[in-house]
Amino acid sequence: ETGVTQSPTHLIKTRGQQVTLRCSSQSGHNTVSWYQQALGQGPQFIFQYYREEENGRGNFPPRFSGLQFPNYSSELNVNALELDDSALYLCASSENRGINEKLFFGSGTQLSVL
Amino acid sequence: EDQVTQSPEALRLQEGESSSLNCSYTVSGLRGLFWYRQDPGKGPEFLFTLYSAGEEKEKERLKATLTKKESFLHITAPKPEDSATYLCAVQASGGGADGLTFGKGTHLIIQP
Repeated sequence: ETGVTQSPTHLIKTRGQQVTLRCSSQSGHNTVSWYQQALGQGPQFIFQYYREEENGRGNFPPRFSGLQFPNYSSELNVNALELDDSALYLCASSENRGINEKLFFGSGTQLSVL
Repeated sequence: EDQVTQSPEALRLQEGESSSLNCSYTVSGLRGLFWYRQDPGKGPEFLFTLYSAGEEKEKERLKATLTKKESFLHITAPKPEDSATYLCAVQASGGGADGLTFGKGTHLIIQP
């Protein structure tokens, strides 16, 4: 059974650029959620995808967008990067939409915006 | 707005010294309260889900309890490998986004 994998592990961008982060969900899981974790903070919910459609969204602007593919892998896209976007971005998969018991997290992508 | 407050922010214990971590929450309707463990450079790892006041769950040296306003994570006779950040999160009922609302965590250090 493979776990949740994210790529890249680290990324450095400059303000105003665009970035794409990738996530492969755990085998058998059809729901993917993305979280942003700033230094010293708990993870903050960005959005969730279920069967290729956005299923819920936290308090993040539209420049944060995502995709889920037929194999349930996912992408997080962030446009017009700002300095405050520097954070650890976590992907989590689960077996079912709406039932967040046992979210399985990847190790994250550390994004630095200069 | 759902809120989760964890205390203390950091805790240093000697090996074998038992203690408790606190998670206070306000939520419109509780679907579940979750405890996760996060090691440096890793994503959170699931520990427990609690659904209703009075519920308790145990795993090795950890025991989680739930009341209507707070949850406790009790650590009995901890070992150095229990050192980590412990995160509490809630999921609200009533539709809408199904994301978890996390606290800032308690950074626990167990000294040999």
